[in-house]
Amino acid sequence: NAGVTQTPKFRVLKTGQSMTLLCAQDMNHEYMYWYRQDPGMGLRLIHYSVGEGTTAKGEVPDGYNVSRLKKQNFLLGLESAAPSQTSVYFCASSSGIDGKRLYEQYFGPGTRLTVT
Amino acid sequence: AQTVTQSQPEMSVQEAETVTLSCTYDTSESDYYLFWYKQPPSRQMILVIRQEAYKQQNATENRFSVNFQKAAKSFSLKISDSQLGDAAMYFCAYRRAYGDDYKLSFGAGTTVTVRA
Repeated sequence: NAGVTQTPKFRVLKTGQSMTLLCAQDMNHEYMYWYRQDPGMGLRLIHYSVGEGTTAKGEVPDGYNVSRLKKQNFLLGLESAAPSQTSVYFCASSSGIDGKRLYEQYFGPGTRLTVT
Repeated sequence: AQTVTQSQPEMSVQEAETVTLSCTYDTSESDYYLFWYKQPPSRQMILVIRQEAYKQQNATENRFSVNFQKAAKSFSLKISDSQLGDAAMYFCAYRRAYGDDYKLSFGAGTTVTVRA
């Protein structure tokens, strides 16, 4: 049981290049999230998904796209990378909530992306 | 989006002593959840403690306890008998109790240094 995994762990891009970050979870969770972490700003939500085939915008979605074709995978794409997208990216998953019960979010190890 | 504020960018504590981290939040909801996450140098996000807003009793997990003041919208974390392994960045987070996304809103974080 690997939990939440992210690929790659590190990446350096040049401005204008594209790439896809892969998040995979083996816990059969319905909800998946992509966050970015920047110094002094905590984690901010980029996009999220409430189930296979669904996606929605979070707090800072500009410049990113996502897809959830399979329940266990959540992809984050950068079509044309910019230096402002230099950050650490975290994926998380959750089974959601049932009444008053709370299901915590499980985080992946993060991807450090540098755009030069 | 809900606002979560951590006013202490850095805190230092002597080993075996106690440190308290502050967190305030802004919401119009009456039912919600609050969390403290720990992020050590490994970058892994680790859930430390959670509090349901409808519970008046403060949550406790071993050496970690919270002081939840709902009217003041305050949620502080106390680390007792501090250990070297407690050195990390700590994030306060808020999550709605109802809705269809259950996404987390994070504070900017507090870096805790433990002096031997």
